[in-house]
Amino acid sequence: GIQVEQSPPDLILQEGANSTLRCNFSDSVNNLQWFHQNPWGQLINLFYIPSGTKQNGRLSATTVATERYSLLYISSSQTTDSGVYFCAGHARYGGSQGNLIFGKGTKLSVKP
Amino acid sequence: DAGVIQSPRHEVTEMGQEVTLRCKPISGHNSLFWYRQTMMRGLELLIYFNNNVPIDDSGMPEDRFSAKMPNASFSTLKIQPSEPRDSAVYFCASGQSAILEAFFGQGTRLTVV
Repeated sequence: GIQVEQSPPDLILQEGANSTLRCNFSDSVNNLQWFHQNPWGQLINLFYIPSGTKQNGRLSATTVATERYSLLYISSSQTTDSGVYFCAGHARYGGSQGNLIFGKGTKLSVKP
Repeated sequence: DAGVIQSPRHEVTEMGQEVTLRCKPISGHNSLFWYRQTMMRGLELLIYFNNNVPIDDSGMPEDRFSAKMPNASFSTLKIQPSEPRDSAVYFCASGQSAILEAFFGQGTRLTVV
C-alpha cells in the first residue's frame, strides 16, 4: 500500500543537541518532502528531496530512494526548532497518482 | 510570489450554516490539494485537483463537503450544513505537477458551535 512512516513520534532535546529524524516510505511513493509545522500551525517547506543530500544552514536531509528512506538532520538545535516535522511523498500509481501522502510526524521539543 | 493564499484565516459559525473556504494557488501551479488537520486524525487529504480537474476525492468525508476549482487561480471548499465535528484547520496546497514540490497556505481555522 501507500505508506509513509516516521520515527520517532516524539523527541525531546536539550538546546544545542543534534538529532536525526527518519522517514520510511513504500515503493508506491516518491518525491519526498520535509515540512516543519511551527507552534503557530504554519507548514514550512524544509526540503524537496527525491534523492541525494541537501543542506540548509543547520538542517540537512538525505534520501536514499533505492532503500526507501529519508533522514532529516538537525544540528545544534534551538528552541525555535520545536514543532512537528512531517515527511510527505507523492503517490506514484493508480487513481491516487500525484496525491501528497503525509506521515504522522515527529513532535520535537527543544528545551533551553 | 505571495504564496498560497487562503481565506478566511478564522471562521466561527453555527451548526447548520454553510461555510465556504477559499484558496488561491501559486501562479503557474496546476496541482491543488485540500487537507484537514485535527488533533485526533492529524493531516487528512480531502481532495486533489490536477489542471482544475478533481483526481481523487476519496478523502471527502461525506456529501456535506464539496470542492470546486473553476479556474487555475481559485478553488473553494464548501461545507453545507456544517457540524461541530467539522471544526479543524483546513489547509490548501499547490504544486507544479512536473516538479511536484507542494507549498501550503496558512490555513483556515474553522470552529463550528
